[in-house]
Amino acid sequence: KAGVTQTPRYLIKTRGQQVTLSCSPISGHRSVSWYQQTPGQGLQFLFEYFSETQRNKGNFPGRFSGRQFSNSRSEMNVSTLELGDSALYLCASSLAGGLETQYFGPGTRLLVL
Amino acid sequence: AQKITQTQPGMFVQEKEAVTLDCTYDTSDQSYGLFWYKQPSSGEMIFLIYQGSYDEQNATEGRYSLNFQKARKSANLVISASQLGDSAMYFCAMREATTDSWGKLQFGAGTQVVVTP
Repeated sequence: KAGVTQTPRYLIKTRGQQVTLSCSPISGHRSVSWYQQTPGQGLQFLFEYFSETQRNKGNFPGRFSGRQFSNSRSEMNVSTLELGDSALYLCASSLAGGLETQYFGPGTRLLVL
Repeated sequence: AQKITQTQPGMFVQEKEAVTLDCTYDTSDQSYGLFWYKQPSSGEMIFLIYQGSYDEQNATEGRYSLNFQKARKSANLVISASQLGDSAMYFCAMREATTDSWGKLQFGAGTQVVVTP
């Protein structure tokens, strides 16, 4: 079974631009969670989607948004990029978002200049 | 408040030796899950082992075992017979079974392990 895939793997943007990251979960998984990883803040939860609905959201500004499609693929969007948005963005999928294991993709490294 | 505490920022271990990575957690929930992940320099988070709060037996997965002490709120990872490929950052994480924790893993700061020949 194919793992979680994320595209693109690397991205360079400038301040003020917007970016869209994509995540395809493991086949059959309906829950997709997004995390931001930075050296200073560590791993922080962004949001979780299940059956096209956002069920949970972390403490991030409204510039961070996401959505999930009927095939469970998910996208996250960051508008008006700031230097501090430079990070590794990780997507994880699980069957239903309960206590079952989340499996992570390889991540998207975003650099904001 | 920090929910997951990993007190060891980094450690060296010799090849073929065992290593214990410490993790303590804080929750008032009765139902929760504890996870360990490995993150090599490539960045991908690799799942290692899971322990449920109601599991009476300590979890084991190959060379990985989890020393679960519920009363102490401790979930230490033991890696037996370390290999050079075990060099990575290791994260302890918890998922609480509450509706405001849907899909949300809470991670510790991680422990950097370097395996030496």
